[in-house]
Amino acid sequence: GNSVTQMEGPVTLSEEAFLTINCTYTATGYPSLFWYVQYPGEGLQLLLKATKADDKGSNKGFEATYRKETTSFHLEKGSVQVSDSAVYFCALLGSGGSNYKLTFGKGTLLTVNP
Amino acid sequence: GAVVSQHPSRVICKSGTSVKIECRSLDFQATTMFWYRQFPKKSLMLMATSNEGSKATYEQGVEKDKFLINHASLTLSTLTVTSAHPEDSSFYICSARRGGLYEETQYFGPGTRLLVL
Repeated sequence: GNSVTQMEGPVTLSEEAFLTINCTYTATGYPSLFWYVQYPGEGLQLLLKATKADDKGSNKGFEATYRKETTSFHLEKGSVQVSDSAVYFCALLGSGGSNYKLTFGKGTLLTVNP
Repeated sequence: GAVVSQHPSRVICKSGTSVKIECRSLDFQATTMFWYRQFPKKSLMLMATSNEGSKATYEQGVEKDKFLINHASLTLSTLTVTSAHPEDSSFYICSARRGGLYEETQYFGPGTRLLVL
C-alpha cells in the first residue's frame, strides 16, 4: 500500500535559518504529493502540491519538488520566520482507484525562535 | 479559495450523551467529505469517507454505530458521536473535495475539539 515517511521532529531553528523537512513516499503509479501545515489548535491548510514528476510546488516562500527517481518531496524554505512555527504534514494521493484518500506522514513540528 | 467550516469548534459533554459535529463547504459543492481524528501530537487518522446521498465508508476499526455520518447535501456532512465516553475525547477534523474526476485537493475544516467528561 501507499506510505509516507517524513523526518521526525521536533525541528528548532532560529529566524532566517534555512529549512528542510524530508519526505519520501512509497506508492504505485503516479501519485500526487502535498504539504499541509497545521497551526496550533487549527485544522490543516494546504501549503503546496505537485501532481507529476519534476513539478515544483511553491507558496509563501516554501518549495518542494516532486522527485520520482528518489521518491521524495522535501519541503524547503530559504529563510524561516517565527510565524512559520507549526506542524507540517507530507501527504500522498494515490493514482487510480484510491477513492481520493490521502495518506499522511506523521508530521514534523517546527519551532522558529526569534 | 475553498472554505470549509466546522461547528462547534469546541464541545464538552457528559459521558453517555451524543454530540453532533457539522462540516460545511461554504463556497463549493463537495462531492466527497472525509472525517479524521487526531490525537495529541499525532498524525491524522481517517475515520470514514462520506459521499453525498450514499452511506459512508468506514475505515477498518472504526465503529459505524458509534460514529454516525450523514452527508445529506453537497455542502453539509455531519458526524455524530453516540454515547460518548472519555476515550472519544479528541480533535475531529473534516475535509471536503470538490466534484470532478481530476479534482484531487482536499480542503480542511478548522477542527472540533471534543472533551467527554
